[in-house]
Amino acid sequence: DQQVKQNSPSLSVQEGRISILNCDYTNSMFDYFLWYKKYPAEGPTFLISISSIKDKNEDGRFTVFLNKSAKHLSLHIVPSQPGDSAVYFCAASVPGSARQLTFGSGTQLTVLP
Amino acid sequence: DGGITQSPKYLFRKEGQNVTLSCEQNLNHDAMYWYRQDPGQGLRLIYYSQIVNDFQKGDIAEGYSVSREKKESFPLTVTSAQKNPTAFYLCASTSRFDSNTIYFGEGSWLTVV
Repeated sequence: DQQVKQNSPSLSVQEGRISILNCDYTNSMFDYFLWYKKYPAEGPTFLISISSIKDKNEDGRFTVFLNKSAKHLSLHIVPSQPGDSAVYFCAASVPGSARQLTFGSGTQLTVLP
Repeated sequence: DGGITQSPKYLFRKEGQNVTLSCEQNLNHDAMYWYRQDPGQGLRLIYYSQIVNDFQKGDIAEGYSVSREKKESFPLTVTSAQKNPTAFYLCASTSRFDSNTIYFGEGSWLTVV
């Protein structure tokens, strides 16, 4: 049973336009959410995060929105650039000492020049 | 520079053999993790360790073993009992001061031939 779901395995966007990556979760105990970016054959790198006490967090071209009632979060990239082409993983964690992350299956973003 | 080093990057193993993947970090992080990535399945937690000489099973620990004799090192052994070991393996770590942000190594490709 997947607690974190990314239902779109792939997304293509034109350069300069907005990319919107979506993530849904089922565990209401999740209180912290993160987005990671991954290039082929490399480890994921942290992109942006949001605590459940907020509904928006912005960092440059990246904005994460959290809708707790819908158990949904999204990552907006504006404007999209070809270097943004990568797999994006959504992850969530519950309160606790281990802070283990539960990852979604990832969305391959392709930004077309 | 601080970081997580995984070795080898690529490894071939014959069926029936055990193989050990190395993970070393110089970030002074307390917690370390091993994840496995398979196509379309995101990252799944194999084992994690919060302190030296202690570790816990993750979601898919069967066929794997770990040790944590030193804070800096968290090797993963893929045993012959692991039925489908061909995958991309990622080691990660977190600081006790910022356990929300997980740092990943570059990954190791294991192929069983």
